[in-house]
Amino acid sequence: DIQMTQSPSTLSASVGDRVTITCRASQSISRWLAWYQQKPGKAPKLLIYKASNLESGVPSRFSGSGSGTEFTLTISSLQPDDFATYYCQQYNTNSYTFGQGTKLEMK
Amino acid sequence: QLQMQESGPGLVKPSETLSLTCIVSGDSMRKNGYFWGWIRQPPGKGLEWIGSIYYSGTTHYNPSLKSRVTMSVDTAKTQFSLQLHSVTAADTAVYYCARHSDCSGGSCNSVPGYFHPWGQGSLVTVSS
Repeated sequence: DIQMTQSPSTLSASVGDRVTITCRASQSISRWLAWYQQKPGKAPKLLIYKASNLESGVPSRFSGSGSGTEFTLTISSLQPDDFATYYCQQYNTNSYTFGQGTKLEMK
Repeated sequence: QLQMQESGPGLVKPSETLSLTCIVSGDSMRKNGYFWGWIRQPPGKGLEWIGSIYYSGTTHYNPSLKSRVTMSVDTAKTQFSLQLHSVTAADTAVYYCARHSDCSGGSCNSVPGYFHPWGQGSLVTVSS
């Protein structure tokens, strides 16, 4: 299986901050990576697919980049609604794996 | 708009079989390139893909669960199902269904990719 490692596990930030979450794959996955946002008690919500494609309806303050083994999710100006847990997911192989999650909390 | 809803017992005894159904509405299950998947999340933990099925019946299972998982699809009833056999307390989790695809610009790859949209989730507790 391809292992996905996110950092940091927890991130403290304030409204208006620019934040970046990193996801590393144990082997190259080209650009086959998605990002999700999950709020407590809710299902994950797709934000980005194929590393940098913004899902329809997702605010443009979210962006993704990277290829190969290293990827980033950036929120350009943090809004109150963005405090949540974020997961990356690779789909390079027929065994789909997620990162362990990054909890974005209010400073 | 595609919507998905999980249904099934909230409590299963150890060693028995966990059975869940996902009811799909708002779109056809028979579209080329769209698989239908199950993902689970133990309380307070991360996400684990369980398996995915195509309308034809083709399946992909997580190797770590493959020996205990059976998935089926009924496109006439617009639903697909998960069975997880010989459950233990470690199988206690919120179980989500989701459409599983890799589509952009109106075309889809033959191999699924990301999960979207998701059902609301169904908590299944394994306990005697």
